[in-house]
Amino acid sequence: AQKVTQAQTEISVVEKEDVTLDCVYETRDTTYYLFWYKQPPSGELVFLIRRNSFDEQNEISGRYSWNFQKSTSSFNFTITASQVVDSAVYFCALSGLDDKIIFGKGTRLHILP
Amino acid sequence: DAGVIQSPRHEVTEMGQEVTLRCKPISGHDYLFWYRQTMMRGLELLIYFNNNVPIDDSGMPEDRFSAKMPNASFSTLKIQPSEPRDSAVYFCASTPTGPPEAFFGQGTRLTVV
Repeated sequence: AQKVTQAQTEISVVEKEDVTLDCVYETRDTTYYLFWYKQPPSGELVFLIRRNSFDEQNEISGRYSWNFQKSTSSFNFTITASQVVDSAVYFCALSGLDDKIIFGKGTRLHILP
Repeated sequence: DAGVIQSPRHEVTEMGQEVTLRCKPISGHDYLFWYRQTMMRGLELLIYFNNNVPIDDSGMPEDRFSAKMPNASFSTLKIQPSEPRDSAVYFCASTPTGPPEAFFGQGTRLTVV
């Protein structure tokens, strides 16, 4: 069975601090995809990134970076120099050979001014 | 493309009534997913379709829930009879075949009183 665990239910940091959101996954598939989505207060789900299981290179996009480590089954997300607009719920997700996309329970991030 | 379109955006109904939620996926996408979001359970996958065929409905909570996809451009999720515990935001998402990237609709906020 596939599973995504986001152990941090809620995090609060002061603006300009760095923050890392943790994601641990479980799958028996050798080919799979991992995702991060953002859900701002307006409620829509916004795609941030997709990684496949064969690409362990870390990725950076502006203030966002992602660290994928197969050895620890983790796909962590770091926001550098956080801003109030980063306040949202962030979801990690997993898709395996059955093409099902399952989500973790999300981490609610508060960036305090 | 207009993206995934869900209707209605908000629905308030009385316990025992039938509720039908609608979704139009992005044209050309082969997969369609229905999710339910609640504070307690996060984003739960209810059912998903591939080429209009239901692949996995193990997430459908009870027989009161049913979903159909009569053609590639339309899907419904029906609850009959509705109960207060069905109150949630219901999301529809679609993704093309190949590396998945789920595009979400705006969601339907259902309140059963």
